[in-house]
Amino acid sequence: AQSVSQHNHHVILSEAASLELGCNYSYGGTVNLFWYVQYPGQHLQLLLKYFSGDPLVKGIKGFEAEFIKSKFSFNLRKPSVQWSDTAEYFCAVNTNAGKSTFGDGTTLTVKP
Amino acid sequence: GAVVSQHPSWVICKSGTSVKIECRSLDFQATTMFWYRQFPKQSLMLMATSNEGSKATYEQGVEKDKFLINHASLTLSTLTVTSAHPEDSSFYICSAPNRQGGLNTEAFFGQGTRLTVV
Repeated sequence: AQSVSQHNHHVILSEAASLELGCNYSYGGTVNLFWYVQYPGQHLQLLLKYFSGDPLVKGIKGFEAEFIKSKFSFNLRKPSVQWSDTAEYFCAVNTNAGKSTFGDGTTLTVKP
Repeated sequence: GAVVSQHPSWVICKSGTSVKIECRSLDFQATTMFWYRQFPKQSLMLMATSNEGSKATYEQGVEKDKFLINHASLTLSTLTVTSAHPEDSSFYICSAPNRQGGLNTEAFFGQGTRLTVV
């Protein structure tokens, strides 16, 4: 069975600070990895995804993630956060049947 | 990308009544759909796998008689919360997988349904 671990439960940053959110996964099959963002009271939005190829993936809103196979990691990064990035961030791994397993989520608070 | 539509977006119901939530894949077919539940400030937890033309598969601890799932067609799955109680109040989210080539599969999520039982 697959599992996802997000190390940071709550991250507080000032605007313009750099962000890195950790994500480690455990899954024996083909890895499909995702990061989602959920703004307060809203639905999930896809930030970026990794299937194969270039391990550095660029997503929307200036986010990127790096897949490191040897570390079973898929960390999310952003060079300079904005107040509007305040949200909940979820890392997820899919089976090739499309079943998603989510990490516990990281709450990001960006102070203006 | 593919679109999954979930309806209603929010619903308030009285304790003891039943509520039906629909999940539709608008521009692709899905023989399988997934239903998740998210409690406040928590992650999404898989409740069940909806299978077109056959019975749903429920995760451990999820009552199949309480959460009735019907996958009537290749584009529609419904979740009915029967005899709802306040503790069933939650955010319910469906997803439908769409193959992106090879073994790559992306799950497309509905907008979610916020259920409040009073």
